[in-house]
Amino acid sequence: NAGVTQTPKFRILKIGQSMTLQCTQDMNHNYMYWYRQDPGMGLKLIYYSVGAGITDKGEVPNGYNVSRSTTEDFPLRLELAAPSQTSVYFCASRDPGAGTEAFFGQGTRLTVV
Amino acid sequence: DQQVKQNSPSLSVQEGRISILNCDYTNSMFDYFLWYKKYPAEGPTFLISISSIKDKNEDGRFTVFLNKSAKHLSLHIVPSQPGDSAVYFCAASEKTGANNLFFGTGTRLTVIP
Repeated sequence: NAGVTQTPKFRILKIGQSMTLQCTQDMNHNYMYWYRQDPGMGLKLIYYSVGAGITDKGEVPNGYNVSRSTTEDFPLRLELAAPSQTSVYFCASRDPGAGTEAFFGQGTRLTVV
Repeated sequence: DQQVKQNSPSLSVQEGRISILNCDYTNSMFDYFLWYKKYPAEGPTFLISISSIKDKNEDGRFTVFLNKSAKHLSLHIVPSQPGDSAVYFCAASEKTGANNLFFGTGTRLTVIP
């Protein structure tokens, strides 16, 4: 059982480049999330989705875009990368409703130079 | 505005003793609380949770206590083991909406053999 899989694990981008962080889950969870974690900080919610075709902004959405064409996949797009987007990115999925935990991927460490 | 706060960035405990990690929150709409454990270069993994209708939940060596009037929860680990050394995140969610998780900044626990 793979759970939540993120690719790539590491990436270095130059300022102004763009990339897509991939996330896929095999637990048939409707809810999916993208978080970023900066050094010494907690996880901040970037975007979330409650099902295929439905996405919404979290706390820190600027500079990012998402799509959710299938239940399994929730890619995060960075357009015009900036040094402020240097962070570790985590994708997570969860069953709907209260009282359930979120399952996280291993993370993508992104450096923008 | 940090809705979930962990005011101790680090904690060191001798093996076999009790570890107590604290968490405070400001949003009275939170009704489900979770603790996650995170090792370096890995995603957070779920440890234990508690619903707002309870004041205590126990799972083996791990117990979470919730004091709703004080908006405070704590995680007790007894006895502490070297393998417990990790960063512990407190998280909270509301009953409504997409049950987004709001995270604290984490406490790095070191268990000294």
